[in-house]
Amino acid sequence: DGGITQSPKYLFRKEGQNVTLSCEQNLNHDAMYWYRQDPGQGLRLIYYSQIVNDFQKGDIAEGYSVSREKKESFPLTVTSAQKNPTAFYLCASSASSGRGIKGYTFGSGTRLTVV
Amino acid sequence: GESVGLHLPTLSVQEGDNSIINCAYSNSASDYFIWYKQESGKGPQFIIDIRSNMDKRQGQRVTVLLNKTVKHLSLQIAATQPGDSAVYFCAETPNNNDMRFGAGTRLTVKP
Repeated sequence: DGGITQSPKYLFRKEGQNVTLSCEQNLNHDAMYWYRQDPGQGLRLIYYSQIVNDFQKGDIAEGYSVSREKKESFPLTVTSAQKNPTAFYLCASSASSGRGIKGYTFGSGTRLTVV
Repeated sequence: GESVGLHLPTLSVQEGDNSIINCAYSNSASDYFIWYKQESGKGPQFIIDIRSNMDKRQGQRVTVLLNKTVKHLSLQIAATQPGDSAVYFCAETPNNNDMRFGAGTRLTVKP
């Protein structure tokens, strides 16, 4: 079955560490997105990529970095510059930028906690 | 509705009753809208969508209503079941680059 896979499900980061969250899709979608979700708040866009080897900053890109070397993969690195990284991170993809056939398909999320 | 601060609006209904969840969207240029359901610890799941050339769309047990005049979207769930308990949020597409999401409403279904 086609889908989008995020790993790990839970991740713990020490102060000053960089960590990378994985996102892989086999839907042949062109566009991929990273969102951050905090308790009681909506999804905030971190980065998005409409095509391989190209990506754009979202609303809260500071302290994060991404790469898009393959169509299927869009890893997110949370750097030590991100001062408040504890959150639930969601990856999504769509068949075309903006909407796709059914909007975005989401992964199951990674919960990152700073220890 | 939309949340203010850290607390999601909540809706509590009795099993079997109908639920109505509301959303005010921000951009009058948005032409595509989606309702998502998010269960605790999981990613959002697509429920139903509607384009701006429609004012109503029905799915299985769900109906979405769109009022472009007041930029309002609602999701109606018929015969609400315990499995419907989740956070529901709307999304709008104001441009071709990304989709904007509301904060959500927490629906609790009492048995």
